[in-house]
Amino acid sequence: DAGVIQSPRHEVTEMGQEVTLRCKPISGHDYLFWYRQTMMRGLELLIYFNNNVPIDDSGMPEDRFSAKMPNASFSTLKIQPSEPRDSAVYFCASSLVNEQFFGPGTRLTVL
Amino acid sequence: GNSVTQMEGPVTLSEEAFLTINCTYTATGYPSLFWYVQYPGEGLQLLLKATKADDKGSNKGFEATYRKETTSFHLEKGSVQVSDSAVYFCALSEGGGATNKLIFGTGTLLAVQP
Repeated sequence: DAGVIQSPRHEVTEMGQEVTLRCKPISGHDYLFWYRQTMMRGLELLIYFNNNVPIDDSGMPEDRFSAKMPNASFSTLKIQPSEPRDSAVYFCASSLVNEQFFGPGTRLTVL
Repeated sequence: GNSVTQMEGPVTLSEEAFLTINCTYTATGYPSLFWYVQYPGEGLQLLLKATKADDKGSNKGFEATYRKETTSFHLEKGSVQVSDSAVYFCALSEGGGATNKLIFGTGTLLAVQP
């Protein structure tokens, strides 16, 4: 199995632009998680899905952030408009039982 | 609510030294406990886990024992290598695993010097 796949691996954009991060979970996994990691705040859970349905989005920082999971093999995290304080590494993880498998992350830089 | 507390880093050791990274937790019910490792520029990887009291998880020379009486899950390794330099995260499963949601500690940076 290829593991959790994230794209792009690096994204540099300007303030105000829309950013879309993508994730392909491990086949057969029914949970998908989006995390954000920064030096200041550490690892934060933004939102997670079960069977493509959002279960808890209480970690989403603002309305500028949105996430979708249109099918079992694809999810997106969108930031519109982006701000410099959104600069971070964004991880996607999937799980079948309680062990989570993480993707390599997307390093986002908002100038 | 449920929470995980890890010792502050960074932890700096010489090669072949003994490692302990402390982790304590607060939880209702009987969570599973995990140690994840993050190497520079990579995502988190599961290092070991324990699903019930007195279980010992082990992998790559690392060990941790689920101690319900002290609500602890300390990570140990008898002889560290330079390649063990990474950030280590302790975590617990919330809801007894019913939601697969994990609560992570803040992470402990380990730096091993040759």
